[in-house]
Amino acid sequence: AQSVTQPDIHITVSEGASLELRCNYSYGATPYLFWYVQSPGQGLQLLLKYFSGDTLVQGIKGFEAEFKRSQSSFNLRKPSVHWSDAAEYFCAVGTSGTYKYIFGTGTRLKVLA
Amino acid sequence: EPEVTQTPSHQVTQMGQEVILRCVPISNHLYFYWYRQILGQKVEFLVSFYNNEISEKSEIFDDQFSVERPDGSNFTLKIRSTKLEDSAMYFCASRSQTSGPYEQYFGPGTRLTVT
Repeated sequence: AQSVTQPDIHITVSEGASLELRCNYSYGATPYLFWYVQSPGQGLQLLLKYFSGDTLVQGIKGFEAEFKRSQSSFNLRKPSVHWSDAAEYFCAVGTSGTYKYIFGTGTRLKVLA
Repeated sequence: EPEVTQTPSHQVTQMGQEVILRCVPISNHLYFYWYRQILGQKVEFLVSFYNNEISEKSEIFDDQFSVERPDGSNFTLKIRSTKLEDSAMYFCASRSQTSGPYEQYFGPGTRLTVT
């Protein structure tokens, strides 16, 4: 079955520290992968996407993600976290057919000053 | 930059009442979706819509739910008789045929509270 797993429900980092949020997917075909960020009470903002080509993709706000097919992973990284990055982060896979998204359960990021 | 809009931003209704959530997708988009997010949980797919038909629906999308594109701009989600468990944030999304194979654009959401 198609699924997305985000193993970390909560992550706390200090401002200026590096960040890695994990995402693993289960999907039979070539995956189309996304990371979204959601601030409290807000909608979903696309950070970055992977469709094909270079497995290291750059996104907005200094985020990047690396697609590793052998590990079925699409981890999100940022070299230096800012307090404004505190939010919930969702990984999603786009499916074929009707192209619906399957979301992971999210990782809530807390940033310490 | 074009964006998906949703109204209202917050709707409070009593159990058993009908609600209609409205979405205006990006104008040249052809594929439309509804998702919901119960507080503290993940975003879940409800239904996809293309060419004036439902193309896929989830188990959540039972007979209490319906979708419609009543004119060339709006896309609505109707819940016929709301239950307490329908309380959630509802997101509309749209996609064109040319914006990348699977990139959807999400609206800001409508928070539905059923009392």
